[in-house]
Amino acid sequence: GENVEQHPSTLSVQEGDSAVIKCTYSDSASNYFPWYKQELGKRPQLIIDIRSNVGEKKDQRIAVTLNKTAKHFSLHITETQPEDSAVYFCAARGKLIFGQGTELSVKP
Amino acid sequence: DGGITQSPKYLFRKEGQNVTLSCEQNLNHDAMYWYRQDPGQGLRLIYYSQIVNDFQKGDIAEGYSVSREKKESFPLTVTSAQKNPTAFYLCASSGTGGTQPQHFGDGTRLSIL
Repeated sequence: GENVEQHPSTLSVQEGDSAVIKCTYSDSASNYFPWYKQELGKRPQLIIDIRSNVGEKKDQRIAVTLNKTAKHFSLHITETQPEDSAVYFCAARGKLIFGQGTELSVKP
Repeated sequence: DGGITQSPKYLFRKEGQNVTLSCEQNLNHDAMYWYRQDPGQGLRLIYYSQIVNDFQKGDIAEGYSVSREKKESFPLTVTSAQKNPTAFYLCASSGTGGTQPQHFGDGTRLSIL
């Protein structure tokens, strides 16, 4: 069946460094790729999304890139700050399927 | 996203008991979803509904039931047939169309007594 693979499962960076999280999807009909940030015990919050007719989208310190041919998309966070520490989920839609999550820790 | 309200925040279930989790939205969204989240895991889809009086099973529907009598409401019942119900349950809603983002509620944490 369709699935979304997300890597890495944990990521630790120093404050100010960049962080990259990668996802690969299997359903070639997927046309929408959101990224969510979830703090401990709280709801997932949409932080950025990209549609299949776009290759890259940027919003301040975060950006998402999409390679439809290779069926993968990535989240890039620059100049990381301690408040970026959370679990990040990617998802692919067609049928909305979530990745397994990446726990990002930003060390001051 | 204050437009989706889940209640209660914490819920305890006894053996053999059915419990119902509430989800209400005032975003005028047609589609609503229920997800289960286990520690260190992603979100797994239990049920979803794209229109009133219609719903479809997700990947892990066994032991759960839903209803969609009103556009604003999508309650989830965890039945006694669900043998491992301890988890964090998240409700979401979205507009129709494949490129609409989902908005989540604050979740309900269900535990076994």
